[in-house]
Amino acid sequence: KAGVTQTPRYLIKTRGQQVTLSCSPISGHRSVSWYQQTPGQGLQFLFEYFSETQRNKGNFPGRFSGRQFSNSRSEMNVSTLELGDSALYLCASSLDQAAQYFGPGTRLTVL
Amino acid sequence: EDQVTQSPEALRLQEGESSSLNCSYTVSGLRGLFWYRQDPGKGPEFLFTLYSAGEEKEKERLKATLTKKESFLHITAPKPEDSATYLCAVQVQRSNTGKLIFGQGTTLQVKP
Repeated sequence: KAGVTQTPRYLIKTRGQQVTLSCSPISGHRSVSWYQQTPGQGLQFLFEYFSETQRNKGNFPGRFSGRQFSNSRSEMNVSTLELGDSALYLCASSLDQAAQYFGPGTRLTVL
Repeated sequence: EDQVTQSPEALRLQEGESSSLNCSYTVSGLRGLFWYRQDPGKGPEFLFTLYSAGEEKEKERLKATLTKKESFLHITAPKPEDSATYLCAVQVQRSNTGKLIFGQGTTLQVKP
């Protein structure tokens, strides 16, 4: 079975721009979660989608948003980028609250 | 507040020198505790899920155990390829969500 895939793997943006990251879950997994990983804060939960509905949201500003499509693929968007948004963004898929399997991540650098 | 604390932050071992990593948690109700391994520049790799106190899981040189307040990841006779950051995470029982709360991780270095 193919694992979780994320695109792009690397992104460089400037402050004020917006960015969209994409995630394709493991086939059959309907739950997709997004996490932000930084050296200072570690892994922090952004949001979770299940069957196209946002089921939970972490403590991040409204500039961070996401969605899930009918094929379970998910996207997250960050608008008005700030320097502090530089991080590794990780997507994970699961069979509804079971073990989550992570993708390789998207490394976002904001200049 | 739900919280996960891992210790030590960093651990250096000689090849073959067994040790344990600790994950203590404070949650209102535990649905599951998860261990992951993360190599530099990569996403976390799932290792184990533990659901109830007394449960144990093994995989090669790794063994995870769970009590009511903490979990241990025992590494027996480690090899250099076991060098990585080991992450512990919990799922809380009270809500209908798969959200994981992570500890800060333990970075393990195994020297030949």
